[in-house]
Formats: sequence, C-alpha cells, structure tokens
Amino acid sequence: DADVTQTPRNRITKTGKRIMLECSQTKGHDRMYWYRQDPGLGLRLIYYSFDVKDINKGEISDGYSVSRQAQAKFSLSLESAIPNQTALYFCATSDLGQGGWSTGELFFGEGSRLTVL
Amino acid sequence: QKEVEQDPGPLSVPEGAIVSLNCTYSNSAFQYFMWYRQYSRKGPELLMYTYSSGNKEDGRFTAQVDKSSKYISLFIRDSQPSDSATYLCAMSGEDTGFQKLVFGTGTRLLVSP
Repeated sequence: DADVTQTPRNRITKTGKRIMLECSQTKGHDRMYWYRQDPGLGLRLIYYSFDVKDINKGEISDGYSVSRQAQAKFSLSLESAIPNQTALYFCATSDLGQGGWSTGELFFGEGSRLTVL
Repeated sequence: QKEVEQDPGPLSVPEGAIVSLNCTYSNSAFQYFMWYRQYSRKGPELLMYTYSSGNKEDGRFTAQVDKSSKYISLFIRDSQPSDSATYLCAMSGEDTGFQKLVFGTGTRLLVSP
C-alpha cells in the first residue's frame, strides 16, 4: 500500500460543483501539504499544515479550503469549482530532520487529476 | 520573472549519454537545493539534496550548486531509458521558510535505447 494515498485519482465535474479531494498517510508525519501542478507552471503550494491545529495558506489558496481531520488525514475542498482549477493535485508529507529542520524531502501521493467543465 | 527558472524540454538523448539539467534562481536566500524525479502518472520523489554550494555525488547522479551564479545543475552519467522522467528542481531558504519549497517547472528527459 502507498504511504500517501489520494482519492479520487481522477474526477470530472462541472462548474459550480463542490469537490473534495482526500489524502491519508501512514508515514506518521506531522506536516502535510496540498500542491497543484500545471503545465508550464510547475508545482504550486495551496495549503500546508504542520500539525492538526495548524493550517496555513500557500501561494495560491484562493478558491480552496482545507481540513486536517487527524494527523493522518488532510482534505482539500473546492467550494465552487471553476474551469481554471482543472489541474493535477498532489498531497505531500514531510518530517523534521535532525536539529528540527526539515530535510526538504516531501513524500508525494500519486496525484488526483481534476477536470472542471 | 519566476523565482526559479527551468527549461521544460523535452531533452532527448541516446542511452549512455551524459545529461545536464539546470535551474537558475533569483532569491539569494535559498540555501537548500533539491532535485525531484517524476515518472509519468506518479508523484515526484526526492533524488538529490544539497545544502549551500558545492557538489554531491550519488551513483550516476551529481548535483552542483553555484550560489554566486544562482545556478544549480544535475548531471546524469551513463543515462538509461529508465531515467526518462521529468526532473524538477526545488529550493528553500530562511525567507520562504525551510519547510516550503519553491519548485521549477520541470525538464522532461527522454533517453532512447
């Protein structure tokens, strides 16, 4: 089984619909992230969470919300989907290295491809 | 101007060739530099990690960082068809928060048998 599991893997929806992408992890990491990947734009951070009570906006949080239900679960919601939210979404986790600094290693899920018509 | 620039490719090489992948960046505060590899329909995975300037070697892979030029490179020796993937550079520093990476757009590499 994958350490970072995303559901659904593929979703096609219509403009205005509410969509939730779910992420669960078995790595025991406190830190979880949501990224979107677009051709020519690379990976961009949407939201991140350093523990269950800590939620932070990334560079492109408008139109998105998140929920950290437990250490292992981090969900991304699109309250009213629009076509320019069509993208590949990745959940990732990370841990702290020695000395309390992140090693920079993110562990990614396999992605959720979302198409908004 | 993007904070991290990376040529999207594709870069096509024959098996056995030496591959050079590069990124330039504008933020002098970046201190941690990483290369991720992403196979088709998969999430990225960490390939190499370096701190500050210098070289790091791991098997066929060598990562170089030149902070004075704000330029990082990944070299792949004796390239194999299994190296065909998209390679993303990523970096972080004190002002971005060490926990938040800034990614390049990725370079697609194709290694033909």
